[in-house]
Amino acid sequence: SAVISQKPSRDICQRGTSLTIQCQVDSQVTMMFWYRQQPGQSLTLIATANQGSEATYESGFVIDKFPISRPNLTFSTLTVSNMSPEDSSIYLCSVAEQGAGQPQHFGDGTRLSIL
Amino acid sequence: GQQVMQIPQYQHVQEGEDFTTYCNSSTTLSNIQWYKQRPGGHPVFLIQLVKSGEVKKQKRLTFQFGEAKKNSSLHITATQTTDVGTYFCAGRGTGGGNKLTFGTGTQLKVEL
Repeated sequence: SAVISQKPSRDICQRGTSLTIQCQVDSQVTMMFWYRQQPGQSLTLIATANQGSEATYESGFVIDKFPISRPNLTFSTLTVSNMSPEDSSIYLCSVAEQGAGQPQHFGDGTRLSIL
Repeated sequence: GQQVMQIPQYQHVQEGEDFTTYCNSSTTLSNIQWYKQRPGGHPVFLIQLVKSGEVKKQKRLTFQFGEAKKNSSLHITATQTTDVGTYFCAGRGTGGGNKLTFGTGTQLKVEL
């Protein structure tokens, strides 16, 4: 399966600042996703990162708050903008091949704390 | 929107005991996947079920997909300390696409 590198692994940020999280895959993949996971909770899909076009956001998530880039089939970024303590969470990228039922493979996640 | 609930939320067992987690979707699913997340780790894919009533086994793990394709279960026989973690089901709706809705998860702790 694909090897996924996510950076940074953790960060502590000040309220009102923005942080960009990177997700690099060692092979071309069709689908890339960004999730948020509160400690001890389930995974919530933020958006699907589309190569060469705007990301597809889930209900409750907007582009102004979580801008996403996907310039090619191996790389994506998620920016958490104008952060508040409520944004403290683990952010995970995952990848999958096109086609119904393809398993998702996850990066190690970015643990984000907002002061 | 689609909701996927799991019970129990937590389970403590003695090593050697069996464990089962149940997954229920508010809507019919095209398929369901199961993932395991170790403490401090990321979710790792275990298996996928596609057919109504399907049963699959992986060593001590048995996975079932309900006849109505709205529920699923994971049963672990004779748990070991290596089974510790949170087990998530994740369902894909019938409307196509690759989006998964993750269940609420069941955290398993195994005591010696």
